[in-house]
Amino acid sequence: GIQVEQSPPDLILQEGANSTLRCNFSDSVNNLQWFHQNPWGQLINLFYIPSGTKQNGRLSATTVATERYSLLYISSSQTTDSGVYFCAAPTGTASKLTFGTGTRLQVTL
Amino acid sequence: EAQVTQNPRYLITVTGKKLTVTCSQNMNHEYMSWYRQDPGLGLRQIYYSMNVEVTDKGDVPEGYKVSRKEKRNFPLILESPSPNQTSLYFCASSLSPGTANSPLHFGNGTRLTVT
Repeated sequence: GIQVEQSPPDLILQEGANSTLRCNFSDSVNNLQWFHQNPWGQLINLFYIPSGTKQNGRLSATTVATERYSLLYISSSQTTDSGVYFCAAPTGTASKLTFGTGTRLQVTL
Repeated sequence: EAQVTQNPRYLITVTGKKLTVTCSQNMNHEYMSWYRQDPGLGLRQIYYSMNVEVTDKGDVPEGYKVSRKEKRNFPLILESPSPNQTSLYFCASSLSPGTANSPLHFGNGTRLTVT
């Protein structure tokens, strides 16, 4: 099955800083999703981004499908951005998403 | 409001006592799935359903059952829970995997402890 790797595994930022999270995947995909798991455990879908760039407020994501990676940009980080960020790509028939191991982000004051 | 609703949020039970975790979505999604999340092991799929009366095993189906009698509901059943099923469980749904613009939406999770 597809392998999904994320980097860095951990990240500590001061409030207001920018960051880039990376997701590499081993096979061609027709969709790539980013999720945020907040400190209360809720998993929120941030982006559905098979290719190209999307923006949502201070967050944006870019997927370069031909090179098998995706980037999540967080600008002007806030403490509410803390949590774990996962990317996920479909396996085989797309009946399953394979999740990366996540990037744990802590934003401090 | 479009959402996936799981109940209960927290559950403590004893080994062998049958339990059901309910999941309901109000988005008319065809696809529904159950995941469990464990430290160091990430999110792993238990079962999924592509539509009503169509279910299939994920990566870790042992010890679990599911049913999909209606489009909106996808309960997870543990017939005889064991301590190794202590975990954080998530139900998720999407329009239809493999189709364009079909993001996966998660419920708020159920934290299960089996003693």
